[in-house]
Amino acid sequence: DAGITQSPRYKITETGRQVTLMCHQTWSHSYMFWYRQDLGHGLRLIYYSAAADITDKGEVPDGYVVSRSKTENFPLTLESATRSQTSVYFCASREQGGVSYEQYFGPGTRLTVT
Amino acid sequence: GENVEQHPSTLSVQEGDSAVIKCTYSDSASNYFPWYKQELGKRPQLIIDIRSNVGEKKDQRIAVTLNKTAKHFSLHITETQPEDSAVYFCAANTGGFKTIFGAGTRLFVKA
Repeated sequence: DAGITQSPRYKITETGRQVTLMCHQTWSHSYMFWYRQDLGHGLRLIYYSAAADITDKGEVPDGYVVSRSKTENFPLTLESATRSQTSVYFCASREQGGVSYEQYFGPGTRLTVT
Repeated sequence: GENVEQHPSTLSVQEGDSAVIKCTYSDSASNYFPWYKQELGKRPQLIIDIRSNVGEKKDQRIAVTLNKTAKHFSLHITETQPEDSAVYFCAANTGGFKTIFGAGTRLFVKA
């Protein structure tokens, strides 16, 4: 579990501010993902990345930006935070190919937008 | 796009009883179906998964069944224990990058 970390764990920000959530993994997994978790919606995919410099939109990408300059890092930026972006954000990673498609989740970041 | 529906949203059982959670998926190309368990305040963790070429898989007290024709799959927990109390998510994947999750089932096991 220590192989994938997120920071900060808790964040309170104001509407309109830019905020970046960090994700770091030590397994050299090719695939990385950002999800948001809201009551009644389960886990919804925001963005994913197949490798460094390769990213693509998920189900709910509006208002978010990602980058992946290094394999181990996958930051998520809210360009201008809105109250509807109050949520718990999980980063996850997965190895390329292999027998299992198991995703390993980070501990989550609880973000509150006031 | 792919959609995964999960029922029930809440399930309460007596310790020692069985619990069943059911999911349906829409994309017939889905071929991998994981189940994740999330304890309160923790991260989701994989507990069991099944591929489309298998109809049933069992791991101790938990089992998953898959009906490809009907496009539904289920999680079965036998001899439930208080530590089974958590939120359970089903999911479907077509083998690509996107895994679509169900909305979750909150399981309460009463001692």
